[in-house]
Amino acid sequence: QSALTQPASVSGSPGQSITISCTGTSSDVGGYNYVSWYQQHPGKAPKLMIYDVTKRPSGVSNRFSGSKSGNTASLTISGLQAEDEADYYCTSYTSSTTVVFGGGTKLTVL
Amino acid sequence: QLQLQESGPGLVKPSETLSLTCAVSGGSIGSSSYYWGWIRQPPGKGLEWIGSIYYSGSTYYNPSLKSRVTISVDTSKNHFSLKLSSVTAADTAVYYCARHGSLGSPFDPWGQGTLVTVSS
Repeated sequence: QSALTQPASVSGSPGQSITISCTGTSSDVGGYNYVSWYQQHPGKAPKLMIYDVTKRPSGVSNRFSGSKSGNTASLTISGLQAEDEADYYCTSYTSSTTVVFGGGTKLTVL
Repeated sequence: QLQLQESGPGLVKPSETLSLTCAVSGGSIGSSSYYWGWIRQPPGKGLEWIGSIYYSGSTYYNPSLKSRVTISVDTSKNHFSLKLSSVTAADTAVYYCARHGSLGSPFDPWGQGTLVTVSS
């Protein structure tokens, strides 16, 4: 199975908004509302930020939001803060009853 | 609060079998309808799903690793395990275990991860 496609890097200044895309196919991202997003700081385990495309777990800032259009899901972070600097990964369920991750996006807060 | 902890050898020789265990505390593996998964991350690279097991024993594997992977669950010890055979240097990675509610559900929580290096 092919990894979902994410930009290698994105950047933004404090207070700005950024969006990270996650592109798959109709057999994964486009076919199911089972897209999740994880934040990973260096040396740490990933942390769940968004699940089921748009849902936010308890304790996650409402500055994080998710959406989907066709075969592309997106994570938007508004009011960018220094602590948001991290790697971000998307995942999706697939029609082959497997799970696929995106290649990851490094977010730099300028 | 559910916690997961990976354990196993940190160094494995090429062509041998990597074996890891994920101990679950704060909840029972066998008494609830959850999936238990393994994910790995090579140094400096992205996350890769290895496979998952349903509490009843049904398994689901990444097609690219399927021929070498076995995931099992031991409800009596409240842990689940990963075996990866015929390892090479490409299998060097941090290995994480995690729980998810279904194959489409998010992985949460995660273990802290354990680094396994494949080297002679």
